[in-house]
Amino acid sequence: KQEVTQIPAALSVPEGENLVLNCSFTDSAIYNLQWFRQDPGKGLTSLLLIQSSQREQTSGRLNASLDKSSGRSTLYIAASQPGDSATYLCAGPDNYGQNFVFGPGTRLSVLP
Amino acid sequence: EAGVAQSPRYKIIEKRQSVAFWCNPISGHATLYWYQQILGQGPKLLIQFQNNGVVDDSQLPKDRFSAERLKGVDSTLKIQPAKLEDSAVYLCASSLAGRNTEAFFGQGTRLTVV
Repeated sequence: KQEVTQIPAALSVPEGENLVLNCSFTDSAIYNLQWFRQDPGKGLTSLLLIQSSQREQTSGRLNASLDKSSGRSTLYIAASQPGDSATYLCAGPDNYGQNFVFGPGTRLSVLP
Repeated sequence: EAGVAQSPRYKIIEKRQSVAFWCNPISGHATLYWYQQILGQGPKLLIQFQNNGVVDDSQLPKDRFSAERLKGVDSTLKIQPAKLEDSAVYLCASSLAGRNTEAFFGQGTRLTVV
């Protein structure tokens, strides 16, 4: 059964810092991975999707990479801003490749 | 492009009552998911539809939860009777068919069972 862990569980940084969020899967046979952002009381906003033929994706100050051999993904946020404060969730396919399995999330606070 | 629509946004009911949630996916998206998110946890899949057929409902508590997707578009999720532990946010998501497609989520319905 696919299980997803995210480290750290919570992170507090001053504005302007670069930071890395980590995501690990027990089943490393991952063919795609998606990172989401969730603001308090809101739904999930898709940030980046890494497809099976890709190793990384970039959008603005965000860069996500996927190492299929180790079953790990990282989300890099450059020059963090207070508006980046949210919970970040990663999701990958279950063992049958049918749906998404989520990690518990990393709660990020960027202090002004 | 309109996003995934869900209603209601909030619902408070007493235990043993019934409740229903509605979801309208993005137009053209064949796959629809219902997730349950308990406070402080990641979302957990309840049921996945491909068009109007069920792909995976292995984690759906079928003694009290039911879902349908009529005509392969809108979907409803029902809980009857509700328990205190059903208090959570219920998220609907949709994606195009296929493994490499991006999932888009609605705003969710926050259910409180008292």
